[in-house]
Amino acid sequence: QPALTQPASVSGSPGQSITISCTGTSYDIGNYNFVSWYQQHPGKAPKLIIYDVNQRPSGTSDRLSGSKSGNTASLTISGLQSEDEAHYYCCSYAGGGFSVFGGGTKLTVL
Amino acid sequence: EVQLEESGGGLVQPGRSLRLSCSASGFNVEYYAMSWVRQAPGKGLEWVGLIRGKKYGGTTEHAGSVGGRFAISRDDSRGIVFLQMTSLTTEDTAVYYCLRKTREFFDYWGQGTLVTVSS
Repeated sequence: QPALTQPASVSGSPGQSITISCTGTSYDIGNYNFVSWYQQHPGKAPKLIIYDVNQRPSGTSDRLSGSKSGNTASLTISGLQSEDEAHYYCCSYAGGGFSVFGGGTKLTVL
Repeated sequence: EVQLEESGGGLVQPGRSLRLSCSASGFNVEYYAMSWVRQAPGKGLEWVGLIRGKKYGGTTEHAGSVGGRFAISRDDSRGIVFLQMTSLTTEDTAVYYCLRKTREFFDYWGQGTLVTVSS
C-alpha cells in the first residue's frame, strides 16, 4: 500500500491541461514543503521534474508546474504533448530521513 | 557529469543474500546522502532506505518493509554505496535504483539493477 495516493490514470488530448493529485497526511505532505515529482517512460529510470513543491530543475519544461494545499500536492501539465505520455510519481519527505512515494499515475495523451 | 551505476543484481533463491553496489562518479559522494528505491515488476516506486553523508555521520534509515533484513553502507574512498539484502523473499523481486539525494529530493538516478528472487 503506497503511502501517498495518486489516481491510477489520467488522460488528455494534445494541447489540453491535466492535473495529477497526490494525497498524503499531516505527517508528510501536510508537514513539509518537500514534495517532488518524477516522470518515468517505459523501460527507463525515473527522472526528477519538480522539487520543493513547485521548483523546476534545469531542463524541465515550464508547461509543468507543481502546487500544494494541505495534505494534497498536485502536478499540472499544460499544452499536453505526446512526449508527456509516461508514468508520474509524487514523493514527500516524511521526517527522520524517510521518504514516501505515491503509487504512480499513468498519463495517456489521446 | 554525475553518473550512478548499479551492479550485483541477478537471480537468487529465497532465503539467500545478495549485495548490490552503486558506483558514483562526477561528484564528491561523501557530501551527499544516497538512497535506494525499488520497483517491483509493473508496480510503483518504493523507498528502501537512506545513508547520510559523512558530515552527518553516515547514519542510515530503512523502510519498515525491509528493516532488519537490508542494510545500506558506503565506501566514500571508492565512491561506492552498497545495499546488503538478506533473507530475501519473492516479494523483494524488483529493479533496484540507486539515487543521489539533494536536500529532500532525488536529483540523479541510476539505470537500475534487476533482482529476481525465485527457486
